[in-house]
Amino acid sequence: RKEVEQDPGPFNVPEGATVAFNCTYSNSASQSFFWYRQDCRKEPKLLMSVYSSGNEDGRFTAQLNRASQYISLLIRDSKLSDSATYLCVVNGVQAGTALIFGKGTTLSVSS
Amino acid sequence: DTGVSQDPRHKITKRGQNVTFRCDPISEHNRLYWYRQTLGQGPEFLTYFQNEAQLEKSRLLSDRFSAERPKGSFSTLEIQRTEQGDSAMYLCASSLANRGQGGELFFGEGSRLTVL
Repeated sequence: RKEVEQDPGPFNVPEGATVAFNCTYSNSASQSFFWYRQDCRKEPKLLMSVYSSGNEDGRFTAQLNRASQYISLLIRDSKLSDSATYLCVVNGVQAGTALIFGKGTTLSVSS
Repeated sequence: DTGVSQDPRHKITKRGQNVTFRCDPISEHNRLYWYRQTLGQGPEFLTYFQNEAQLEKSRLLSDRFSAERPKGSFSTLEIQRTEQGDSAMYLCASSLANRGQGGELFFGEGSRLTVL
């Protein structure tokens, strides 16, 4: 089983849509969880951390389910500028506190 | 200091040659990471340092790869006897780790390696 698994998509949605991504992780001892965003041909950048109680940042909501070992990202009222690859990130099994990235989920928002 | 810088940005080499990449992290950051990314994949962890100590190295990483961070500032990643499968974007990231928390990763723009 891969350490971090994501549905690669692509997710093609119209502007204004709500879209949700899920990610599962294998290490039940993981403590740190993040969503990063990567634009085409650019480096990844932190979108938001994921806390046990769930957290929201504007149109973005992240949730963590430790029992099922999955993380979700919800984007409401999608904008064209949300088109990117969203990377689920967890501290890994073999790598101690080093962060392990999923393959990413590609989102394309169209007008 | 505007961020993480990597050099060179692009490197084309012939199979069997050695290559070295350099990363200069954000100056106050104590952690430095190396990742490799190929098209359609997420960044793959290679190794990371806390100050000058190499704390973890991926078990999947070939012995041809070696990284150093001699003074706890810049780091180098060397690939010996390159193979075509080494072609990828090599990403460096740094963070300010605090009380066991890794901190936000700030990535450089990457060094793209093409092995012919």
